[in-house]
Amino acid sequence: GQSLEQPSEVTAVEGAIVQINCTYQTSGFYGLSWYQQHDGGAPTFLSYNGLDGLEETGRFSSFLSRSDSYGYLLLQELQMKDSASYFCAPFLTDSWGKLQFGAGTQVVVTP
Amino acid sequence: NAGVMQNPRHLVRRRGQEARLRCSPMKGHSHVYWYRQLPEEGLKFMVYLQKENIIDESGMPKERFSAEFPKEGPSILRIQQVVRGDSAAYFCASSPSGAGNTEAFFGQGTRLTVV
Repeated sequence: GQSLEQPSEVTAVEGAIVQINCTYQTSGFYGLSWYQQHDGGAPTFLSYNGLDGLEETGRFSSFLSRSDSYGYLLLQELQMKDSASYFCAPFLTDSWGKLQFGAGTQVVVTP
Repeated sequence: NAGVMQNPRHLVRRRGQEARLRCSPMKGHSHVYWYRQLPEEGLKFMVYLQKENIIDESGMPKERFSAEFPKEGPSILRIQQVVRGDSAAYFCASSPSGAGNTEAFFGQGTRLTVV
């Protein structure tokens, strides 16, 4: 079967670093996407890992290890506006672009 | 360049009525995906459409739900004879192509409340 696991909630202070882990079990894995969603609004694309390793985009980085079926999103220099839900979403070879979302991780940033 | 536009943003229906949700993809995008999100949960794929074609409807309930993406006009998700369990946020996403495209652009969603 297919499964996707992320922590449900992470709390950290401004300026800290947060790592959101994602483990997946799915057939036809192609790559791993990350999306951010504020207060139930439109999910916005953060990053995509098609190859193993680290992808860096400003304060956010994402990592993928295919052999471990594992990835993470790293949020650095946390800001209050980073309080949101973060979803990892495997991209499948036969999925024609559709995404499989987990339950998401609620990140709470405190002063 | 306008983003993905969904309307209405909020929709209230009584049990048994029909709900019609609209999605206009970004300019130049011909692929549309519909997702449903229940409170405190992730988005669940419902249906994938290209112009005038349903490509994948594996996530859509067999009864009462239908979707279309006509040659002209927005994509429509139609829910007939709504029930309380249909209350959710429905998001539409678009992309310029399907397979191989790794980023989807989402609309603000339609929040359906069935009373």
